[in-house]
Amino acid sequence: ETGVTQSPTHLIKTRGQQVTLRCSSQSGHNTVSWYQQALGQGPQFIFQYYREEENGRGNFPPRFSGLQFPNYSSELNVNALELDDSALYLCASSLERRDYGYTFGSGTRLTVV
Amino acid sequence: AQKVTQAQTEISVVEKEDVTLDCVYETRDTTYYLFWYKQPPSGELVFLIRRNSFDEQNEISGRYSWNFQKSTSSFNFTITASQVVDSAVYFCALSEATRNNAGNMLTFGGGTRLMVKP
Repeated sequence: ETGVTQSPTHLIKTRGQQVTLRCSSQSGHNTVSWYQQALGQGPQFIFQYYREEENGRGNFPPRFSGLQFPNYSSELNVNALELDDSALYLCASSLERRDYGYTFGSGTRLTVV
Repeated sequence: AQKVTQAQTEISVVEKEDVTLDCVYETRDTTYYLFWYKQPPSGELVFLIRRNSFDEQNEISGRYSWNFQKSTSSFNFTITASQVVDSAVYFCALSEATRNNAGNMLTFGGGTRLMVKP
């Protein structure tokens, strides 16, 4: 079975631009969570999507938004990029909303200049 | 609110030494899950263990062992006879299993960078 795949692996954007990151969940997993990991810190929860609806959100502003598609893949969109948005963005999928068996992808490294 | 503290930011050991990574957590819930993840330079988080709050038995898996003590809110991780391949950042994480934790969010500690020298 395939794991969680994220694209692109690296990205450089200019302050004020918009970015879309993509995640394909592990086969059979219907729940996707996104995390932001700044350099030298632990990951922080952005939000979770379950069956195409947002199912919980961390302390992130509305310019962070997401989508989940019928095949359970997901996108993370960030508008009006700021320098502090530079981070590793990790996607994790799980079998069900209340399942605690998370599988993480390798992440997208976003640099905002 | 849930919180995880990993006081050791960096540990350096010589191969074959034993090393313990500390994790202290805070939660008001009686039902929760604790995790350890390994993050190699490639970036992905590799799952090591999940423990629920009702199971305080220590666990051993090969060279890895975990000591869960609710009385001190700690969930420490020991690597016996460390190897160079164990070099990575290790994260302890907590998830409260309550209805209020919409999204089952994981709260991570700041991580401990382990360097094992040959």
